[in-house]
Amino acid sequence: KNEVEQSPQNLTAQEGEFITINCSYSVGISALHWLQQHPGGGIVSLFMLSSGKKKHGRLIATINIQEKHSSLHITASHPRDSAVYICAGKAAGNKLTFGGGTRVLVKP
Amino acid sequence: GAGVSQSPRYKVAKRGQDVALRCDPISGHVSLFWYQQALGQGPEFLTYFQNEAQLDKSGLPSDRFFAERPEGSVSTLKIQRTQQEDSAVYLCASSPFLNTEAFFGQGTRLTVV
Repeated sequence: KNEVEQSPQNLTAQEGEFITINCSYSVGISALHWLQQHPGGGIVSLFMLSSGKKKHGRLIATINIQEKHSSLHITASHPRDSAVYICAGKAAGNKLTFGGGTRVLVKP
Repeated sequence: GAGVSQSPRYKVAKRGQDVALRCDPISGHVSLFWYQQALGQGPEFLTYFQNEAQLDKSGLPSDRFFAERPEGSVSTLKIQRTQQEDSAVYLCASSPFLNTEAFFGQGTRLTVV
């Protein structure tokens, strides 16, 4: 069983809609990364958080340590936001355990 | 360069060939990671270096996989006698210290035919 679970697997939104991606993780994970991967491209780190909330432009990431749950929100979504979003948990030994990814498609 | 650089970007190997994949981390980054990403799946951990020391190689799928980072900067992932199931994108990431943000390279897409 993966230590990091993401939902949904796929998400389609109309331009301008608010998007939420959820991530649940198991005991032993001390920090969460949110990553973005475009088709054929490398991975870009969006956020690393271990508590509270972070915001960058139209992206907001929150984490609830007690519930072991994190969310990534995209406000006023745009077609260029179309990508795979991956949450990854940092556990002992500093390695990352990745969720399965959420494929987001934003239609104009 | 400003980011993590991987080469080659694409590699096609015949089954049984040996391949070597290179990662140039961001200068001064202590930690270096290799991940394997099969088509349509999330990345899976392969191995981790802190400077030149390979502290964790628990994710290497078989003894055909070998990684090194002899001078604590550039790292090479070598796969011997490649098999079709080795086809994947191999990602390298580096971070300045422990428990800090990781920066990823573009990956090397390996196709074994």
